[in-house]
Amino acid sequence: GAVVSQHPSWVICKSGTSVKIECRSLDFQATTMFWYRQFPKQSLMLMATSNEGSKATYEQGVEKDKFLINHASLTLSTLTVTSAHPEDSSFYICSASPGASAGNTIYFGEGSWLTVV
Amino acid sequence: AQSVAQPEDQVNVAEGNPLTVKCTYSVSGNPYLFWYVQYPNRGLQFLLKYITGDNLVKGSYGFEAEFNKSQTSFHLKKPSALVSDSALYFCAVRDDRGNTPLVFGKGTRLSVIA
Repeated sequence: GAVVSQHPSWVICKSGTSVKIECRSLDFQATTMFWYRQFPKQSLMLMATSNEGSKATYEQGVEKDKFLINHASLTLSTLTVTSAHPEDSSFYICSASPGASAGNTIYFGEGSWLTVV
Repeated sequence: AQSVAQPEDQVNVAEGNPLTVKCTYSVSGNPYLFWYVQYPNRGLQFLLKYITGDNLVKGSYGFEAEFNKSQTSFHLKKPSALVSDSALYFCAVRDDRGNTPLVFGKGTRLSVIA
């Protein structure tokens, strides 16, 4: 199947700093990518829809100024957690789909563990 | 609005026995249904999907699922469970209106006991 890559897999940062997580579609182009957040032993919560060349669409309750999303190319979306705080510590996962050519399957990255100390 | 219900937080099954992980959904329009598996500290791995066609779909690692429109269900099954199947399983749905995000169930933890 198609491959979605996330980097970094693990990151520890100090409170107040910013952290960038990258999501790449390695073998297909993705005009749309999705960012999810997962708390321990819980399901995935959709944070935002990342649209290539335009502003991201954020879900209700997600602070767009805190979670900056940039989708500058058809293969790369980035999530920047700004002024991180310990409560932002979580597992962040991105997903993308090659579209109808791949039977509308959505593929996920391996996720990024963020720990804010 | 779309929603997915996975009524069981935990399913325990003996190795070699058949397993079922339940999922029901609600969506306006035609559903695209998916099952994913998550191992500890990892991302989600795609198992199988129903888009259209045969109601019984077969996927990776011997898993299959049956789409039942009248019961709005998409239960995941495997004839003979392996210890290595122990993981967290997510059912998800999206509608057919284009590149829309998946909506996930809360997940079911499967434990296969040797």
